[in-house]
Amino acid sequence: SAVISQKPSRDICQRGTSLTIQCQVDSQVTMMFWYRQQPGQSLTLIATANQGSEATYESGFVIDKFPISRPNLTFSTLTVSNMSPEDSSIYLCSVGDRAGGYTFGSGTRLTVV
Amino acid sequence: DAKTTQPNSMESNEEEPVHLPCNHSTISGTDYIHWYRQLPSQGPEYVIHGLTSNVNNRMASLAIAEDRKSSTLILHRATLRDAAVYYCILNNNNDMRFGAGTRLTVKP
Repeated sequence: SAVISQKPSRDICQRGTSLTIQCQVDSQVTMMFWYRQQPGQSLTLIATANQGSEATYESGFVIDKFPISRPNLTFSTLTVSNMSPEDSSIYLCSVGDRAGGYTFGSGTRLTVV
Repeated sequence: DAKTTQPNSMESNEEEPVHLPCNHSTISGTDYIHWYRQLPSQGPEYVIHGLTSNVNNRMASLAIAEDRKSSTLILHRATLRDAAVYYCILNNNNDMRFGAGTRLTVKP
């Protein structure tokens, strides 16, 4: 299965600022997925990112708030913009693997103060 | 919207088998049944997946009902390291949506 390196692992940010989360995969993948996990909750899909096209966002998530880049087949970034305390969550990236399962990064734990 | 229903929590004794149920009565013919688990402070980890037939791997077994409206994840011998939240997910064309999952507690 793919190996994902996600950075940073955690951060504490001031409200009104932005944070960019990076996801690096050790193999080429067509689709990358970004999830949010709010405290004590399950995972919610934010968007799907294909290389060479704009990301597809789920209901409740907008590009202005969560811009995504996908410059190549092994890398993606998610930016959390104009942060508020409500954005405090764990953010995770995920990719599909050849065997049919999905691999997840270890997550970025974001605290907004 | 999650398309699966799981018990909120289950308990097991160490070294005993665990059967984690999942109901997915609205499953379509092309939905794969996936199971993931999330240990504390980690991202979800793939456990197993299947379409129609029962599946076995080194981590677990997946038993799928004949009508595919339910499935059961079987951990053959629970260890303390198996304590986690287990998610049953229907996946169709990369549409992976998590429900609330089952929190498994393993007692020594």
